Amino acid sequence: GAGVSQTPSNKVTEKGKYVELRCDPISGHTALYWYRQSLGQGPEFLIYFQGTGAADDSGLPNDRFFAVRPEGSVSTLKIQRTERGDSAVYLCASSPTGVSNEKLFFGSGTQLSVL
Amino acid sequence: AQSVSQHNHHVILSEAASLELGCNYSYGGTVNLFWYVQYPGQHLQLLLKYFSGDPLVKGIKGFEAEFIKSKFSFNLRKPSVQWSDTAEYFCAVTPSGSARQLTFGSGTQLTVLP
Repeated sequence: GAGVSQTPSNKVTEKGKYVELRCDPISGHTALYWYRQSLGQGPEFLIYFQGTGAADDSGLPNDRFFAVRPEGSVSTLKIQRTERGDSAVYLCASSPTGVSNEKLFFGSGTQLSVL
Repeated sequence: AQSVSQHNHHVILSEAASLELGCNYSYGGTVNLFWYVQYPGQHLQLLLKYFSGDPLVKGIKGFEAEFIKSKFSFNLRKPSVQWSDTAEYFCAVTPSGSARQLTFGSGTQLTVLP
């Protein structure tokens, strides 16, 4: 596609439920990133994929959060036993190769609301 | 670990006024610096970046930023703002040559009055 696509755009769930958020990066981009943006804050790094592997998952807040990218393209962020504090906009971004001076192409995000 | 401070949370200007948004970072080594912008209802997009060479970098829509290494600063400037510049602006930093972990500031909301 022309840009990074994220689905759903909005997700409302109840505390304790499991959610999956999907990211479809720009075709051919090997690097994929997940960020979380809480109200009034800048995006916070969660995880970085280079191809199929998670090259840096140091930003995942705890073991309820997990992400996969099995074929090196689409990625899914999975959150188990959701908590109200997980409510935020989850942003996905991709870049061609992942070198540190490359710009990131962001999606529009998934607004997650945990009731 | 690196960090970024944006001291102006909300800036309100009239059209044609000059703009300067502050950004300071904390990191002991060489860095790459970015300004991203988010227009209302749109996704984050790159405004400009610095990674080496001339510390004065120019970006899209007439924006520029100057890297001052001694001050750990990367302030964003525009000589004359327009109503269409109303947006949220984020400064970001990543260590050069390392695995990518872009660290963002908390953002500055710019409102330009017509």
